[in-house]
Amino acid sequence: SQQGEEDPQALSIQEGENATMNCSYKTSINNLQWYRQNSGRGLVHLILIRSNEREKHSGRLRVTLDTSKKSSSLLITASRAADTASYFCAAAGTALIFGKGTTLSVSS
Amino acid sequence: EAGVAQSPRYKIIEKRQSVAFWCNPISGHATLYWYQQILGQGPKLLIQFQNNGVVDDSQLPKDRFSAERLKGVDSTLKIQPAKLEDSAVYLCASSWRDRGETQYFGPGTRLLVL
Repeated sequence: SQQGEEDPQALSIQEGENATMNCSYKTSINNLQWYRQNSGRGLVHLILIRSNEREKHSGRLRVTLDTSKKSSSLLITASRAADTASYFCAAAGTALIFGKGTTLSVSS
Repeated sequence: EAGVAQSPRYKIIEKRQSVAFWCNPISGHATLYWYQQILGQGPKLLIQFQNNGVVDDSQLPKDRFSAERLKGVDSTLKIQPAKLEDSAVYLCASSWRDRGETQYFGPGTRLLVL
């Protein structure tokens, strides 16, 4: 079963706008990871946030984690057409379980 | 640093035939994973190896799927016989030690069962 569930399932924005994706999970975790998958490709790791962290930044990415609500969000600032991809959260507890993903489309 | 290699990239077979996928992880990575990703869904773990031992194969359909990692490096995933519902992308990933760490994915093998 999927532990991470992303919301929304699909998101369409213009270049330069910010994109926010949310993830909910069900059980206790050690960390939560976000991955990107371009069409027809494997997954690429974006960022990992540990259970004792609340916020983390990496370039144009900002991730928050609320363990009390079992939720995380990924913010991509100043989106580019190259950000068009599917984004998955993966909750790392006793297993690493992926959600169904959010498909982001950035148009120029 | 070379990434995770997988072959073939695409495979089309008929149901009840057998198929095998190969994966070569990043050098030095102790842990290797096989995932199945059905269209529109996230990857689902099939099996995890730590060196050449199986750590988790709870979601592997053992009546038709098998995997091995000889010498703790390369790995092969086999399906015999294939069913229509096995059509998916099979992803191999590796990490230094365990599943809580960052995983590095190969490009995947896209399987179509007719």
